[in-house]
Amino acid sequence: GAGVSQSPSNKVTEKGKDVELRCDPISGHTALYWYRQSLGQGLEFLIYFQGNSAPDKSGLPSDRFSAERTGGSVSTLTIQRTQQEDSAVYLCASTKRGVSGYTFGSGTRLTVV
Amino acid sequence: TQLLEQSPQFLSIQEGENLTVYCNSSSVFSSLQWYRQEPGEGPVLLVTVVTGGEVKKLKRLTFQFGDARKDSSLHITAAQPGDTGLYLCAGARDSGGSNYKLTFGKGTLLTVNP
Repeated sequence: GAGVSQSPSNKVTEKGKDVELRCDPISGHTALYWYRQSLGQGLEFLIYFQGNSAPDKSGLPSDRFSAERTGGSVSTLTIQRTQQEDSAVYLCASTKRGVSGYTFGSGTRLTVV
Repeated sequence: TQLLEQSPQFLSIQEGENLTVYCNSSSVFSSLQWYRQEPGEGPVLLVTVVTGGEVKKLKRLTFQFGDARKDSSLHITAAQPGDTGLYLCAGARDSGGSNYKLTFGKGTLLTVNP
């Protein structure tokens, strides 16, 4: 597609439920990133995928968070047993190798009630 | 953990005024990027600066990277309501020639009133 596509755009879930957030990067972009943006906070790095290399998971806040990228394209971020503090906007971005500057999707606004 | 401090946090000005926002760190970055984010959207890249002392101009926006590559500023001349948004700076530490895992500041929320 022309841009980074994220779905759903909004998600309201009950505390304790699992959620899956999807990111479809720009075709040909080898790197994919997940960030979290909370009210009043900057963007917090979660995880980074580059080609076939092992992902950098160093930003995942707990073992309730996981992500995968299938076929070097679409990525899914899964949050298990959601908590209220997980409420945030989850942003996905992609880049071409060697090109600085991310192209972000519009994000998924997650609200845990 | 590298930290990027942005100031001011909030800025409300009248159309036609000039403004400067700042991005400071105690760490050195290989490059620094500025993004603008509008409500309900992801950040959009405005510019990347890579050389200490570099100045880049984008119409009414002027970006500067500090000589020591620890700080940056964004100056807007004759601000317009369309400039309203959240301005984010982000620093990169090169790893193997690829920029990744950008460190973002918390942003400056700019409102330009008509």
